[in-house]
Amino acid sequence: DAKTTQPNSMESNEEEPVHLPCNHSTISGTDYIHWYRQLPSQGPEYVIHGLTSNVNNRMASLAIAEDRKSSTLILHRATLRDAAVYYCISHSYNNNDMRFGAGTRLTVKP
Amino acid sequence: NAGVTQTPKFQVLKTGQSMTLQCAQDMNHEYMSWYRQDPGMGLRLIHYSVGAGITDQGEVPNGYNVSRSTTEDFPLRLLSAAPSQTSVYFCASSLRDLSSYEQYFGPGTRLTVT
Repeated sequence: DAKTTQPNSMESNEEEPVHLPCNHSTISGTDYIHWYRQLPSQGPEYVIHGLTSNVNNRMASLAIAEDRKSSTLILHRATLRDAAVYYCISHSYNNNDMRFGAGTRLTVKP
Repeated sequence: NAGVTQTPKFQVLKTGQSMTLQCAQDMNHEYMSWYRQDPGMGLRLIHYSVGAGITDQGEVPNGYNVSRSTTEDFPLRLLSAAPSQTSVYFCASSLRDLSSYEQYFGPGTRLTVT
């Protein structure tokens, strides 16, 4: 798995969009990009994942750079419930060992 | 579906004691794993299983044993508890390979070793 780099923390205002960046400059062609988040005192929960194309689901959007060396998780309208630690993971295909880094702690201000 | 369940929620052990953390899932998932999370840190993989009868080591396997006799259950055994094993333990499951399928996490077991 390629190493990922995320900011330690970010702040956002409620009801505004949030763009969470992730660098993965050593990513290989078969590495998927996964995002999980962990709300306080809970286990992590899946947010989104993708390989090359941008992805959308009910929770968020994932924008992947053309060279795949970086990606951005987009929360379209932050709510107080989105305050969590967000983990960006570059995960090799057929690798059963998924490694989580330190993540980005997102604070949402009312 | 109950999803991924873990018992107990809290546990206090003395150094040297052994115990088993239970994990079960009712989604017929092939893949299951155990992570530990120390205060203020990310998750670290202890052991994982890609199916009944198959287990493998993750990043921090020392001091822990696992077995997978059924698809549903994946218990984690602490052989001789040490204060360094004080942590929150999360169990997770996935339908199949982690590249294509999301992991579902349990609520965690908070373990304190004195």
